[in-house]
Amino acid sequence: GNSVTQMEGPVTLSEEAFLTINCTYTATGYPSLFWYVQYPGEGLQLLLKATKADDKGSNKGFEATYRKETTSFHLEKGSVQVSDSAVYFCALSSKGSARQLTFGSGTQLTVLP
Amino acid sequence: DGGITQSPKYLFRKEGQNVTLSCEQNLNHDAMYWYRQDPGQGLRLIYYSQIVNDFQKGDIAEGYSVSREKKESFPLTVTSAQKNPTAFYLCASSVQTETNYGYTFGSGTRLTVV
Repeated sequence: GNSVTQMEGPVTLSEEAFLTINCTYTATGYPSLFWYVQYPGEGLQLLLKATKADDKGSNKGFEATYRKETTSFHLEKGSVQVSDSAVYFCALSSKGSARQLTFGSGTQLTVLP
Repeated sequence: DGGITQSPKYLFRKEGQNVTLSCEQNLNHDAMYWYRQDPGQGLRLIYYSQIVNDFQKGDIAEGYSVSREKKESFPLTVTSAQKNPTAFYLCASSVQTETNYGYTFGSGTRLTVV
């Protein structure tokens, strides 16, 4: 079956530091890959996505590249801000799966001023 | 603007009571989902529905029930059989036939047993 593995948190960084959150997946076929962000007390918001190998999703300074050879979709940002503090979820979606999205366990990011 | 609305934002339940969480979407999405989130944990699927008048159990359906009488609405009832209902509940919807768009989430309902 499908599965998503994220690096465990929590992750604490200083403002302007470089961020990487690792995500690897197991899936049949060619899934679409997503990063969602959850701010405290809120629902999840789509941050970025990639639908085929070598695609790069980007939004708000965050980037992730769909690497089929390593089955990875690592999230990166060159310079984090305090406002980036949130929980980040990696997810995949594959055709033929009635449940559509499979989520990772989430990574808590705290950025200190 | 289209979106997905969950209500209420906060809900308190006495032990032994059933409570119903509302989820409404005006995105014309076919599929809807209910997730439970406990502190510091990921999302666990409770129920999902791909079309009106049809729904399937997820990973933790015991103690919960749903209905899908209208495309726009997917209410979740937390019954007295759910022994540990205190959690954050998230509703989501998606375009069933297209996997590339992912889900749209509501803002959640925080349920507390008092």
